[in-house]
Amino acid sequence: DAGVIQSPRHEVTEMGQEVTLRCKPISGHDYLFWYRQTMMRGLELLIYFNNNVPIDDSGMPEDRFSAKMPNASFSTLKIQPSEPRDSAVYFCASSLSGRGYEQYFGPGTRLTVT
Amino acid sequence: AQSVTQPDIHITVSEGASLELRCNYSYGATPYLFWYVQSPGQGLQLLLKYFSGDTLVQGIKGFEAEFKRSQSSFNLRKPSVHWSDAAEYFCAVGRNQGGKLIFGQGTELSVKP
Repeated sequence: DAGVIQSPRHEVTEMGQEVTLRCKPISGHDYLFWYRQTMMRGLELLIYFNNNVPIDDSGMPEDRFSAKMPNASFSTLKIQPSEPRDSAVYFCASSLSGRGYEQYFGPGTRLTVT
Repeated sequence: AQSVTQPDIHITVSEGASLELRCNYSYGATPYLFWYVQSPGQGLQLLLKYFSGDTLVQGIKGFEAEFKRSQSSFNLRKPSVHWSDAAEYFCAVGRNQGGKLIFGQGTELSVKP
């Protein structure tokens, strides 16, 4: 299996621009998670889906952030408009219910907003 | 509320020395427990997990962890550390949280030559 795939790996954008991060979970997994990691705040759960349905989005910082999962093999995290404080590494992870909920992480997208 | 505490933010050990990273959790029932490792610039990789049964679990890269219910702990150990073990280590807990895991703040491990 290819593992969790994220794109792009690096994104540099200017403040005010729209940013879209993409994730392909491991085939057959029914949970998908979006995390953000910064030095100051550590690893934060933003939102997660079960069977393509958002379950908990309480970690989404504000309305500028949105996430979708149109099908079992694809999810996006969008920031519009982006701000410098959104600079972070964004991870996608997936897991399979009935397997102890162990999560498999993608390599991350390093976002820099200037 | 469920929580995970990793008391040590940063640990430095000499190469070849033994290692123990601490993890304490607060959970209403027997949890599922995990240790992940994150090398610089990489995602988190699962090192080992505990679901039930033998309280001493073996993982990849020569790591092991012991679940101690009485102490609500799940400490990670390695008998002899290699320079390549320098990374950040995260403890996590979950079970009946709708699929969600709760992660500790992480412990950064440095290895001296």
